[in-house]
This record gives sequence, structure tokens and C-alpha cells, in this order.
Amino acid sequence: NAGVTQTPKFQVLKTGQSMTLQCAQDMNHEYMSWYRQDPGMGLRLIHYSVGAGITDQGEVPNGYNVSRSTTEDFPLRLLSAAPSQTSVYFCASQRTGFNEQFFGPGTRLTVL
Amino acid sequence: GNSVTQMEGPVTLSEEAFLTINCTYTATGYPSLFWYVQYPGEGLQLLLKATKADDKGSNKGFEATYRKETTSFHLEKGSVQVSDSAVYFCALSVLFGSSNTGKLIFGQGTTLQVKP
Repeated sequence: NAGVTQTPKFQVLKTGQSMTLQCAQDMNHEYMSWYRQDPGMGLRLIHYSVGAGITDQGEVPNGYNVSRSTTEDFPLRLLSAAPSQTSVYFCASQRTGFNEQFFGPGTRLTVL
Repeated sequence: GNSVTQMEGPVTLSEEAFLTINCTYTATGYPSLFWYVQYPGEGLQLLLKATKADDKGSNKGFEATYRKETTSFHLEKGSVQVSDSAVYFCALSVLFGSSNTGKLIFGQGTTLQVKP
């Protein structure tokens, strides 16, 4: 199993550009989520999904969109990047009924 | 609301020293509690967990006990090694809906640096 994979590892954008951060898992987990990690603030939940076709907002959803067309994939879209979205982004997955979330290696995004 | 507070870092220790990283929480209901570790340049890995009061989670020499009366889940290790240098996150899981799946709420993280 590859676990949770994320691409790209690094990305630099200009203000106003759009992009999609990819996340995939091969563990057949129902639950997937996106977090951003900022210095001194821990990880904050952006969006999450409890299954294909079902998504919901987390703590800091503004400026981000998600969709979940398959169990395996959960992409995060930035429609118009802003410098405030400079962060490290982590995707995670979890099997329903179990406590442990599995994290991807992260994407470091810089918005100039 | 639900929240997690960790002691501020960085924490700098010499090898073989005793480690304590404090974590307290506020939650409605009965959350599960976790410690995650993030090594440099990597994602988060689950270090240990406890799902009910008085449970003790342990892994790789680290321990933490779920204390409901003090709403705490302090991380301890008797003798740290250089390889333990990392960022440690305390987190709680709050169940939502009927899916029996929890959202994680993280503390701000504590950086540990162990010197030889």
C-alpha cells in the first residue's frame, strides 16, 4: 500500500492563480480531510468528506473548494490564490469507526 | 467549544533527559486523545492514543495517560534520544454524525530538540 499520497510536494504561485492539490489513498478509507499547517497554530481543518459525493466545511474553508467523486481521491482547489494561503497542506484519511488518521507527506505552497 | 492547548516550545534537552510535554483540552462529551509526531520534512504519524479516562497510551518509550479530572494528556519519556527530535502535536477527536468517525482538533505543536 502507498498509503496517502500528495502531489506536488512544492508549489509556488502568483497571487490570483488557481491550482489543484492532489490527494489519493489506497486504503479504501471513507473519511478524508485537508488541513493546513501554519507556524504556532497547529493543523487546522479546511474541508472533509465522509464518503464519495459528500463534503463539508471545516474550520478554515474560505478560498478552497473540494469534491469527492471517488473513494480514493480528494483534490483541494484554490480558485484565486492569496498570500494568506501560503502554508503546508496535509491530506489525511481514516477508516470509519476507527480512531487513527493517516497523513500524507504534505504540499508546501508559497503564494507570492 | 473543543480545543487543545500545549506547552510552548521549543523544548531543548540533553540526550537521556526526562521529557514532559504538557497538554490540556476542553471538550464536550468524551473525546479520544492522541499524540502525533512530525519528523523534519515529513507528515504526521500517530505516536499513541487513549480512548477513555484513565487509559494509558504508549509507544516507542513514550507514554501519556488520559486524565479526565484534570482534562490533561501529558506526554512523557524517561530517556530521550537525538532521534526523538521532532514536533509533537496533541489532538482530540470529536465524533460527528452517526458515522463513528472523528474530526481531529490539534494543539499548536511543541518542537523538541535533543542534543547529544
